[in-house]
Amino acid sequence: EAQVTQNPRYLITVTGKKLTVTCSQNMNHEYMSWYRQDPGLGLRQIYYSMNVEVTDKGDVPEGYKVSRKEKRNFPLILESPSPNQTSLYFCASSFLLIAGVVDTQYFGPGTRLTVL
Amino acid sequence: AQTVTQSQPEMSVQEAETVTLSCTYDTSESNYYLFWYKQPPSRQMILVIRQEAYKQQNATENRFSVNFQKAAKSFSLKISDSQLGDTAMYFCAFMKHVGAQKLVFGQGTRLTINP
Repeated sequence: EAQVTQNPRYLITVTGKKLTVTCSQNMNHEYMSWYRQDPGLGLRQIYYSMNVEVTDKGDVPEGYKVSRKEKRNFPLILESPSPNQTSLYFCASSFLLIAGVVDTQYFGPGTRLTVL
Repeated sequence: AQTVTQSQPEMSVQEAETVTLSCTYDTSESNYYLFWYKQPPSRQMILVIRQEAYKQQNATENRFSVNFQKAAKSFSLKISDSQLGDTAMYFCAFMKHVGAQKLVFGQGTRLTINP
């Protein structure tokens, strides 16, 4: 089954304790992205990757890191989480069409993160 | 920068009725995509429908259809014969065609279908 998976689905942690949220897709998509969802704000992009070893900042990258060492995986790293990073996080992936156009994005199931 | 606005935070209709969700957007681009995503209580983001701006014909997917008014920068979603399973948060989203690296989302409309 074609899918985007995220782990963990739920996480409660404390301020300053490093954590990683994993994202994996089995569709051979070139493009992957992380979004956060907050009430009244919709989803906002954190980081994206157009291919292996190619990553760039989205609209709200502060406090986050990413890496893309393999095509299927795109982990999100919070090196020193703070309470304002409490949110619902989504990973998404897509094919790249000709000229680098991003096709329809498909989303993982989401990770609910609470930072105390 | 592009912006997407959904002016209806919440809507509620009876089962089997038709409901229309509104979305407006602001862009200077001429070529782009528009999407409606559904987020049920499970929180999964599910693609409902997609529209390419260069296509004049409105997209349809079974009971879901859009009214795309490019000049007015409007992209509404119509759900016909609504079902209890349509209860969800609905997000309108925009993406540039060229040089696009992200979806720009509206704030969402919470739709409740009542039995």
